[in-house]
Amino acid sequence: QVQLVESGGGVVQPGRSLRLSCAASGFIFSSHGMHWVRQAPGKGLEWVAVIWSDGSNKYYADSVKDRFSISRDNSKNTLYLQLNSLRAEDTAVYYCARRSGYYSDYWGQGTLVTVSS
Amino acid sequence: QSALTQPRSVSGSPGQSVTISCTGTSSDVGGYNYVSWYQQHPGKAPKLMIYDVSTRPSGVPDRFSGSKSGNTASLTISGLQAEDEADYYCCSYAGSSWVFGGGTKLTVL
Repeated sequence: QVQLVESGGGVVQPGRSLRLSCAASGFIFSSHGMHWVRQAPGKGLEWVAVIWSDGSNKYYADSVKDRFSISRDNSKNTLYLQLNSLRAEDTAVYYCARRSGYYSDYWGQGTLVTVSS
Repeated sequence: QSALTQPRSVSGSPGQSVTISCTGTSSDVGGYNYVSWYQQHPGKAPKLMIYDVSTRPSGVPDRFSGSKSGNTASLTISGLQAEDEADYYCCSYAGSSWVFGGGTKLTVL
């Protein structure tokens, strides 16, 4: 069965960096694009970034462009999100989700990132 | 990349029907037939309920249906059940990006 397991969250000071990982299993990882979606405490879902199956294309939400970087290692079945220059408003649960067509059919359970001094 | 507009809350009694609207622009909802809907229970990950405006994934009850007219998409839940109480989010492709709605809390009275 499809499994997506995020890790790497934690408490980080403003301006610092963090790298999130998403370990995928149960499907051919290299055949699917992948998304990162976040959810601030008590708030709605916000799309963050997408990466094509082969890593050839990457797109970002305006709110994170130039600060966050999405990448993947298909040999390790792992998706990454590098978060730089973190701000308080980046505090959220970060979900990875498998892309199928123009929707996300499987989601991980999320990892919490808290930006606080 | 402005969020799609959803009502903050809707409610209905068991057995009734409710409709949740999702309004965007010609650059997202109105421009593509790529609207999806997600159900989220408290503390849980979102679950895909509808994709490509009106297609139900296998395993999703046929009580859930989707439609679109112009810049507004809709999710209708008929025969409401207690377990349908959750937050619902629409999402639209917007040309190299995606945008979510603000979410709607469904209360089953």
